[in-house]
Amino acid sequence: KAGVTQTPRYLIKTRGQQVTLSCSPISGHRSVSWYQQTPGQGLQFLFEYFSETQRNKGNFPGRFSGRQFSNSRSEMNVSTLELGDSALYLCASSLNAENTGELFFGEGSRLTVL
Amino acid sequence: GQQVMQIPQYQHVQEGEDFTTYCNSSTTLSNIQWYKQRPGGHPVFLIQLVKSGEVKKQKRLTFQFGEAKKNSSLHITATQTTDVGTYFCAGPHASGGSYIPTFGRGTSLIVHP
Repeated sequence: KAGVTQTPRYLIKTRGQQVTLSCSPISGHRSVSWYQQTPGQGLQFLFEYFSETQRNKGNFPGRFSGRQFSNSRSEMNVSTLELGDSALYLCASSLNAENTGELFFGEGSRLTVL
Repeated sequence: GQQVMQIPQYQHVQEGEDFTTYCNSSTTLSNIQWYKQRPGGHPVFLIQLVKSGEVKKQKRLTFQFGEAKKNSSLHITATQTTDVGTYFCAGPHASGGSYIPTFGRGTSLIVHP
């Protein structure tokens, strides 16, 4: 059974650009969450999707957005990139509809903003 | 809002010594999860505790959930270099009809051979 797949693994952007990250959850998992991980702030929740609907959103500016498709694949987009957006972006999928069970993380997309 | 505090932030040990990390929540948790992230890797689920006072063991790892379900600990006996990594606890925070796993900042374990 394939794990959570995130693409791209690494990317470098410049300030002001936008970026789209992709996440394919484990087959059968309908809940997908996104986290931003930085050395200073740890794992911070961005948003969670279930059945194409955003159920929860963390405390991030509107530049951060996401969506989920009918096949449960999810994308997140960051517009007008800032230096502080440099981070590891982790996607996690969950089988539990309430999102209280084990989270399966992808390997992450490491974004560097220059 | 709910916060999950974790201490210590870093822990250096000599191989063979024991290690403990502590997790405290500002609110009662329905469950608590522990994850391990190796350097350069991604968080990997270790265990979930649900019952008040629950204790679970995985080889040299012992996990405890407090009686009040607001704190938890992970203890590693006789650390090995393979234990190196950051250990995170996470507790669910109810929101929008589901739960947001709220993570502690993690404890980074450094094992010196």
